[in-house]
Amino acid sequence: GQSLEQPSEVTAVEGAIVQINCTYQTSGFYGLSWYQQHDGGAPTFLSYNALDGLEETGRFSSFLSRSDSYGYLLLQELQMKDSASYFCAVRGLEGDKIIFGKGTRLHILP
Amino acid sequence: DAGITQSPRHKVTETGTPVTLRCHQTENHRYMYWYRQDPGHGLRLIHYSYGVKDTDKGEVSDGYSVSRSKTEDFLLTLESATSSQTSVYFCAISETGEGNTIYFGEGSWLTVV
Repeated sequence: GQSLEQPSEVTAVEGAIVQINCTYQTSGFYGLSWYQQHDGGAPTFLSYNALDGLEETGRFSSFLSRSDSYGYLLLQELQMKDSASYFCAVRGLEGDKIIFGKGTRLHILP
Repeated sequence: DAGITQSPRHKVTETGTPVTLRCHQTENHRYMYWYRQDPGHGLRLIHYSYGVKDTDKGEVSDGYSVSRSKTEDFLLTLESATSSQTSVYFCAISETGEGNTIYFGEGSWLTVV
């Protein structure tokens, strides 16, 4: 089957850097992606890694190590609007299912 | 924003009644998904579709059925609603070749009393 593990909560200070980790188990692998969800809203796509290494998109970066079945989302120069839940997701060889982790709630302190 | 519309957006229903949630897309994407979101459980896949009349089960499919008679519409039916099905339901769409990028609808809040 497929499963993902990520911390339930993370707290950081405005202006700082925070890393949200995700480990996964899947039969086959087509990539790891990250989504952001604000309270009361829908999840929105942030980034996607199919190959090992770092992908950078503005203040957000995402890293993947396929040999370790591990990835992380790095948020720099934190802003209060970054307070949200962040989900990692994988698609494996089990058909076209896209499975999500339980999410990490990011709290930002002023 | 991806053209995804969910209806109804909010519904209160009684235990034992049937309920159908509709997802309509204007993007002509091949894949459509239904997820439910509950505190402490994140997003869990209920059913998904990889084409017209082609559907498969997800992680939590018991008590739910789906149908896709047209590319643009994906229906989720609770045959006999139970209180455990009180949740927020999200429809999502994806196009082959875009990796894991999926686009979500705004959600449907369902309360079963």
